[in-house]
Amino acid sequence: GQQVMQIPQYQHVQEGEDFTTYCNSSTTLSNIQWYKQRPGGHPVFLIQLVKSGEVKKQKRLTFQFGEAKKNSSLHITATQTTDVGTYFCAGPNNQGGKLIFGQGTELSVKP
Amino acid sequence: DAGVIQSPRHEVTEMGQEVTLRCKPISGHDYLFWYRQTMMRGLELLIYFNNNVPIDDSGMPEDRFSAKMPNASFSTLKIQPSEPRDSAVYFCASSLKGINSPLHFGNGTRLTVT
Repeated sequence: GQQVMQIPQYQHVQEGEDFTTYCNSSTTLSNIQWYKQRPGGHPVFLIQLVKSGEVKKQKRLTFQFGEAKKNSSLHITATQTTDVGTYFCAGPNNQGGKLIFGQGTELSVKP
Repeated sequence: DAGVIQSPRHEVTEMGQEVTLRCKPISGHDYLFWYRQTMMRGLELLIYFNNNVPIDDSGMPEDRFSAKMPNASFSTLKIQPSEPRDSAVYFCASSLKGINSPLHFGNGTRLTVT
C-alpha cells in the first residue's frame, strides 16, 4: 500500500546546529502537510505545500516540496530548545480521503 | 475558539471492560477523524466522518471498535471489550475541508488497559 517514510527517526543536535528531516512518498502527492508534536502533546499543523518545487519559510523553518511531488523536507536553522519535538509529514492517500502520516523524526536539542 | 475537545484525558481500565472516548470538534468543521498513536505503529487513522456520516472505517482494527457521530458537535469511539493491546493515545481531529485543509487535533486520550 501507499507509504510515507521519514528519515532520520531520531536526531540529536547541539543548540545552534541545523536540523533537516526528509519525507518520501511511494506515490505522487497532491499536497503535503507538516506537523509538530511536543513531548506529551498533540500534533500541531505547521504548513501545507501544494505546488511542485514549492519552498516556504516560517522564521527559522524552511519547507520544500520536490519537483516530482514525491518528497519533501523540513530544515531548521540554528536550532533552539523550543524546537524539541517530533516532526511529521503527511500526505493524502491515492483515493484522496485519508491523510497518511510518516513515522516522524524526533528532534532533541542539547543546550 | 476552544479547539477540539477530548475526554477523558486519561483512562485506565481492566481487560474486558467497555471504554468510551469522546470528542467535540471545532464548530463549523465538517470532517472528523479518529487516530491512534503508538510507538510501534505511529499515527494510524481509524475512521473519519464527513457531515456526521462515516466515510471510511477501514482502519478500525476489529469489531470491538465502533464509532458514532450523532450530531455535528459530538463523536464517540467505543471499545468493547477492551484488551491490553488497545493501550495507546487516541486523538480526535477535525478539519474544515477534509485532508486538503489543516487537521486540528485534540489533546488526546491516553488509554491504558491492564
